[in-house]
Amino acid sequence: DQQVKQNSPSLSVQEGRISILNCDYTNSMFDYFLWYKKYPAEGPTFLISISSIKDKNEDGRFTVFLNKSAKHLSLHIVPSQPGDSAVYFCAARALYGGATNKLIFGTGTLLAVQP
Amino acid sequence: SQTIHQWPATLVQPVGSPLSLECTVEGTSNPNLYWYRQAAGRGLQLLFYSVGIGQISSEVPQNLSASRPQDRQFILSSKKLLLSDSGFYLCAWSVGQATDTQYFGPGTRLTVL
Repeated sequence: DQQVKQNSPSLSVQEGRISILNCDYTNSMFDYFLWYKKYPAEGPTFLISISSIKDKNEDGRFTVFLNKSAKHLSLHIVPSQPGDSAVYFCAARALYGGATNKLIFGTGTLLAVQP
Repeated sequence: SQTIHQWPATLVQPVGSPLSLECTVEGTSNPNLYWYRQAAGRGLQLLFYSVGIGQISSEVPQNLSASRPQDRQFILSSKKLLLSDSGFYLCAWSVGQATDTQYFGPGTRLTVL
């Protein structure tokens, strides 16, 4: 059962335009969400996060929106740059009795920004 | 600053051979440590996590095991590799719960033939 879903395996955007990456989740107990960016043959790097008490978090060109009622979050990148081309993973935190911090990852979306 | 190391970077092993992947973290104490696997065309799957020395929790049944002999050392092992063990193995660390960001190492590409 995939608790975090990224239904678009790939996305192609022109340089300078907006990239919108989507993520849906099923577990209402998730309270913290993160986006990671991954280049081939490298480990994921943390990009931006959002707590469930917020509906928006912005960091430079990156903005994450959270719609709790729809169990949906999205990452907006504007303007998109060729260097943004990578796989983007959405992740959600699940607290199990407050014992530890475990992340559930989506399957990723490959973003290609065309010059 | 904190850094995380994984080795080897790539590994090709025959079916039935043993495996040992190592991960070390520098610049932090008592981190939470994690092993993930990314199989071809799939997301990141949590395999093991550890909140302290000798404390290992397994997330999925498999022929892999993990150990944490020192505070900042995390080892992934197998006695006999299967073809299905091929993938990209990632170690990650985090500190506490207030900051829930996990930071990943560079990964190990394992190919089992």
